[in-house]
Amino acid sequence: GQNIDQPTEMTATEGAIVQINCTYQTSGFNGLFWYQQHAGEAPTFLSYNVLDGLEEKGRFSSFLSRSKGYSYLLLKELQMKDSASYLCAVIGYKLSFGAGTTVTVRA
Amino acid sequence: GAVVSQHPSWVICKSGTSVKIECRSLDFQATTMFWYRQFPKQSLMLMATSNEGSKATYEQGVEKDKFLINHASLTLSTLTVTSAHPEDSSFYICSARGLGGVYEQYFGPGTRLTVT
Repeated sequence: GQNIDQPTEMTATEGAIVQINCTYQTSGFNGLFWYQQHAGEAPTFLSYNVLDGLEEKGRFSSFLSRSKGYSYLLLKELQMKDSASYLCAVIGYKLSFGAGTTVTVRA
Repeated sequence: GAVVSQHPSWVICKSGTSVKIECRSLDFQATTMFWYRQFPKQSLMLMATSNEGSKATYEQGVEKDKFLINHASLTLSTLTVTSAHPEDSSFYICSARGLGGVYEQYFGPGTRLTVT
């Protein structure tokens, strides 16, 4: 089976940096995804990590350590539009999602 | 590219009736489509995986006779919720994976089902 844990909620100020951690235990591992989901909408793809290390894409970066079963999503220069739920998802034989972290950005 | 659409975007139906949700890949051929369900403030739960031209594979605990999935072509999959009950009210999301797309899935915009 797969167990994916991430914090429920985080709050940060506009312009700040927030790091969302994700730990996982899986019976198979073919990569880890981060998705952004606004309320009432489908998830949108942010990043995919399959090798250890940091992947940077604009204001968003994602890190993976396979030996530790750990990933984080780093959001820099936070904007109000970044207020959303961020889902960590691991693909083994299927794509399994964590419960999501609701990030609230305050002015 | 890689656009997935769903129809309808929301639907209200009476208890006991059936509802069909369509999922289409608009600009690519989807060899595999996935159906997820998401309850408020919860994560996406995979219901079933369908491959074009074959029977869907359902996850444990999902009733295949209640949630009928048809993947008749490389661009269309349908989910029919039969004899819907209020507890079936949820956000249903499909995703699609194309030829050569090993792991990446493209998500549709979701369908909000409310059963009264």
